Amino acid sequence: DIQMTQSPASLSASLGETVSIECLASEDIYNNLAWYQQKPGKSPQLLIYYASSLQDGVPSRFSGSGSGTQYSLKINSLESEDAATYFCLQDSEYPPTFGGGTKLELK
Amino acid sequence: VQLVESGGGLVQPGKSLKLSCSASGFTFSSYGMHWIRQAPGKGLDWVAYISSSSGTVYADAVKGRFTISRDNAKNTLYLQLNSLKSEDTAIYYCARARGYPYYYVMDAWGQGASVTVSS
Repeated sequence: DIQMTQSPASLSASLGETVSIECLASEDIYNNLAWYQQKPGKSPQLLIYYASSLQDGVPSRFSGSGSGTQYSLKINSLESEDAATYFCLQDSEYPPTFGGGTKLELK
Repeated sequence: VQLVESGGGLVQPGKSLKLSCSASGFTFSSYGMHWIRQAPGKGLDWVAYISSSSGTVYADAVKGRFTISRDNAKNTLYLQLNSLKSEDTAIYYCARARGYPYYYVMDAWGQGASVTVSS
């Protein structure tokens, strides 16, 4: 199985700041990487697919980049509603595997 | 798009449970569907996938114990859980596959059904 290592496990940032979350795959996943946001007590919501394609309805302050084994999610101009846990998912090959998650706290 | 799970609960080890996921707001028969689970305070684990033509794949941890199925006439997805273990305790989410070529990307999720395996 492809292992997805996500970092950092947690981070704290202020409103208006820009943050980045990283995912490292154990092998090349050819941009087959999605990002999800999960708020406490809620189900995950798709933000980004194919590494950098923004899902319909997702604010443009979210962006994804990367290639090969290294990918990142960038959130510009943090808003209070961005406090959540973020997960990456590789859909390059069976079985699909998730990163361990990054908990984003707003100061 | 709306997905609503039901059928969760407390069950003893070794017993069975069947989860349902009622779908609305889209043409259910045209989409592949997933089950994903999340143990308390943990990350996400993919469980199973069923294609629009009812082909199935499973995670190794549940292969031979869980069965995913669908009834397109009822717009409903199912997960039959047999020989349950304590490590199967989790919230189980149904989710829609985004579609070609992103079969393993889930673009809509239900609210989840809680399954607790304990004596």
